[in-house]
Amino acid sequence: RKEVEQDPGPFNVPEGATVAFNCTYSNSASQSFFWYRQDCRKEPKLLMSVYSSGNEDGRFTAQLNRASQYISLLIRDSKLSDSATYLCVVNGDNFNKFYFGSGTKLNVKP
Amino acid sequence: DVKVTQSSRYLVKRTGEKVFLECVQDMDHENMFWYRQDPGLGLRLIYFSYDVKMKEKGDIPEGYSVSREKKERFSLILESASTNQTSMYLCASSTRGAVLPLHFGNGTRLTVT
Repeated sequence: RKEVEQDPGPFNVPEGATVAFNCTYSNSASQSFFWYRQDCRKEPKLLMSVYSSGNEDGRFTAQLNRASQYISLLIRDSKLSDSATYLCVVNGDNFNKFYFGSGTKLNVKP
Repeated sequence: DVKVTQSSRYLVKRTGEKVFLECVQDMDHENMFWYRQDPGLGLRLIYFSYDVKMKEKGDIPEGYSVSREKKERFSLILESASTNQTSMYLCASSTRGAVLPLHFGNGTRLTVT
């Protein structure tokens, strides 16, 4: 079983839509959770950390559900510029190690 | 802002060559990582280092070695490059404990012919 699993998509949505991604993780001891954004042929860049209480940054909202071991990312009012691959990242037992989902591809269409 | 710098953006090497990929970070991070990223396979950890001269194998260390002689620099070495090592290589760093996120370099796209 993979440490972190994501729906690869693609999610094709019109501009202005709300879209949500989920990511499940297998290690109940994980303490740190992040969403990264990766544009084509570029490096991943931190989008937001995910806190236990949930957190919001503009149009982006991240949630953590420890009981069910998943994190989610909600994007409201999608923009063309949101088109990218979104990676879920979780730390492991060894807190120096990170595990990546395979990414969810989002295409926002005009 | 954290800066992680990889020495080359694009590299073309021949089969059998010894290849060095260099990575430097400027934020005094204890941890440094080398990943490779291939379509459909996501990011896979090759090696990581949590201190100078310390290293641990990741998920796919075969055919690779690393060197960390100084805290800010982490080198990935392909002992004898093969075509199946054609990939995007990403270096990253973080503080100890993975509480704070990874910061990535802008990647080296290596082609082995």
